Amino acid sequence: EDKVVQSPLSLVVHEGDTVTLNCSYEVTNFRSLLWYKQEKKAPTFLFMLTSSGIEKKSGRLSSILDKKELSSILNITATQTGDSAIYLCAVAMNTGFQKLVFGTGTRLLVSP
Amino acid sequence: ETGVTQTPRHLVMGMTNKKSLKCEQHLGHNAMYWYKQSAKKPLELMFVYSLEERVENNSVPSRFSPECPNSSHLFLHLHTLQPEDSALYLCASSQVGQTSYGGYTFGSGTRLTVV
Repeated sequence: EDKVVQSPLSLVVHEGDTVTLNCSYEVTNFRSLLWYKQEKKAPTFLFMLTSSGIEKKSGRLSSILDKKELSSILNITATQTGDSAIYLCAVAMNTGFQKLVFGTGTRLLVSP
Repeated sequence: ETGVTQTPRHLVMGMTNKKSLKCEQHLGHNAMYWYKQSAKKPLELMFVYSLEERVENNSVPSRFSPECPNSSHLFLHLHTLQPEDSALYLCASSQVGQTSYGGYTFGSGTRLTVV
């Protein structure tokens, strides 16, 4: 069965801290790995990773994929209260339509 | 209006009611999805419509019935639901066949409470 596992499940940090969120997967027909941020309801897209070892960066957020270890990390540096959200990892499959398998998410709370 | 729009935002219904959730996308995508998000569980794929044909149905109980009249609209018809069906129902769309991007655009969801 296709599976995506995220850790930790929840995390509380102080503003300014650096955090690392983990995602591992066991799927057939891997196409890409995606990270989403879910603040209230609609998950919003952060990164898509297809190649191992190539870091994607957007401001204070960065992510990298390790296809050998079947895992990815999402780093957030100098965290702000606005980073408080659920971070979802998903794997896209090579199917006729774009099937995504999601992890449970990591709930991040950044305290002032 | 742009993106993916879901209505209603909140819905409270009794177990004997019949209601429908609506999703509309303005992105010109050709695939639409219903996901269920329950507390402490991964998003669960319920239904997929690609080019207006249902291509996946993940053993969802028959009390949930999808309808996709065209590529821009998706409905989820609900009847005789159970309290455990209370969850956030997310609609998403994507462009199948696009090689560079494998993800979705999500709507804001409908928070459903079954009493």
